[in-house]
Amino acid sequence: QSVLTQPPSVSGAPGQRVTISCTGSSSNIGAGYDVHWYQQFPGTAPKLLIYGNSNRPSGVPDRFSGSKSGTSASLAITGLQAVDEADYYCQSFDSTLSGWVFGGGTKLTVL
Amino acid sequence: QVQLVQSGAEVKRPGASVKVSCKASGYTFTSYDINWVRQATGQGLEWMGWMNPNSGNTASAQYFQGRITMTRNTSIGTAYMELSSLRSEDTAVYYCARGSYCQIWGQGTTVTVSS
Repeated sequence: QSVLTQPPSVSGAPGQRVTISCTGSSSNIGAGYDVHWYQQFPGTAPKLLIYGNSNRPSGVPDRFSGSKSGTSASLAITGLQAVDEADYYCQSFDSTLSGWVFGGGTKLTVL
Repeated sequence: QVQLVQSGAEVKRPGASVKVSCKASGYTFTSYDINWVRQATGQGLEWMGWMNPNSGNTASAQYFQGRITMTRNTSIGTAYMELSSLRSEDTAVYYCARGSYCQIWGQGTTVTVSS
């Protein structure tokens, strides 16, 4: 059971907007630690999608955005495309565990 | 081109140790932390530990403490992760990743633990 909780799956039609939640606690997200998001396609290494809660590395489309509030964070994808079908993971630091923690991952299906 | 290149796949017996290397290129090796993350087949990402290549300081997840050793050779820009007392549950793809928010990832090293 992951310290950060994500929905196992989300889905949406092309062109729609979907959000993926990442729920933590007062020892991680709620303590003010940054949240980062990764995208992973089958058989490949994860790719950084959002860092520092809401910042996009160069090359990441602005269809992807991140936000954080209280003990939760969210990844939003607008203008959904078939190429967005992948697994998405959130990451933060946990002061109780004294280390980084990942969410369990969310599989995005584009209908 | 900034990249991390990891060593090849390994097959180990239960109780053995495995050492995975991660060679950095395209940037100053000592300027960024190296994280180690693993992923069992069909499972999520699991953070294992972190190393500061400049100081050599390390920190690891509680689950791996006592079994993981992270080292580096700054002269060749390479980080190493050794995991001991392997068991079948350690079968996974092991990744190294650069930086506090893992901006660059290695290609992964498959470690299979089987008798």
